[in-house]
Amino acid sequence: SQKIEQNSEALNIQEGKTATLTCNYTNYSPAYLQWYRQDPGRGPVFLLLIRENEKEKRKERLKVTFDTTLKQSLFHITASQPADSATYLCALLGSGYALNFGKGTSLLVTP
Amino acid sequence: DSGVTQTPKHLITATGQRVTLRCSPRSGDLSVYWYQQSLDQGLQFLIQYYNGEERAKGNILERFSAQQFPDLHSELNLSSLELGDSALYFCASSDTKGGDTEAFFGQGTRLTVV
Repeated sequence: SQKIEQNSEALNIQEGKTATLTCNYTNYSPAYLQWYRQDPGRGPVFLLLIRENEKEKRKERLKVTFDTTLKQSLFHITASQPADSATYLCALLGSGYALNFGKGTSLLVTP
Repeated sequence: DSGVTQTPKHLITATGQRVTLRCSPRSGDLSVYWYQQSLDQGLQFLIQYYNGEERAKGNILERFSAQQFPDLHSELNLSSLELGDSALYFCASSDTKGGDTEAFFGQGTRLTVV
């Protein structure tokens, strides 16, 4: 079956450090991978989309890598700030065109 | 503001009842997705419509149904409600059939079944 796995344990880091979140997938052949941010009780907000032929994509303090051989994407936030504290979700288009999400990794940035 | 509107924001109802959740997508978006998010659970994909037709189906219960109308708004109908149906229900929209562009999410409808 298709699976999207993200670290279930919360990631706690200090302000100013780089946060790295992992998304691993099984039985997908994705042409695209997306990352979203979700705050408690609110809808997810799109952050970045990376295509299978792109190794890396950047947007301000965010960087995403996509390794289709390892079936893994890494999401980095550099110079993290307390306002970056949220749950981060990765998403893939599954069989039957369903847009499936991982369970997300909770990030806490402390001053 | 994502441009996706969901109503109502909150809904409290009794077991066995039927409710309808409504979603208005962003102007111009043809795809509408529905998700369920329970406490400590991830976003579970329920169903997607594209320009009025069902395009993808997830683990949607038979008690649940949805449709997309000619004006592109969508409704999710939940019937014979059980306590376990209590969750946040999100609607999202995108301008393509899916996966290759961002999805815009509404603020959700919080359903409480008592």
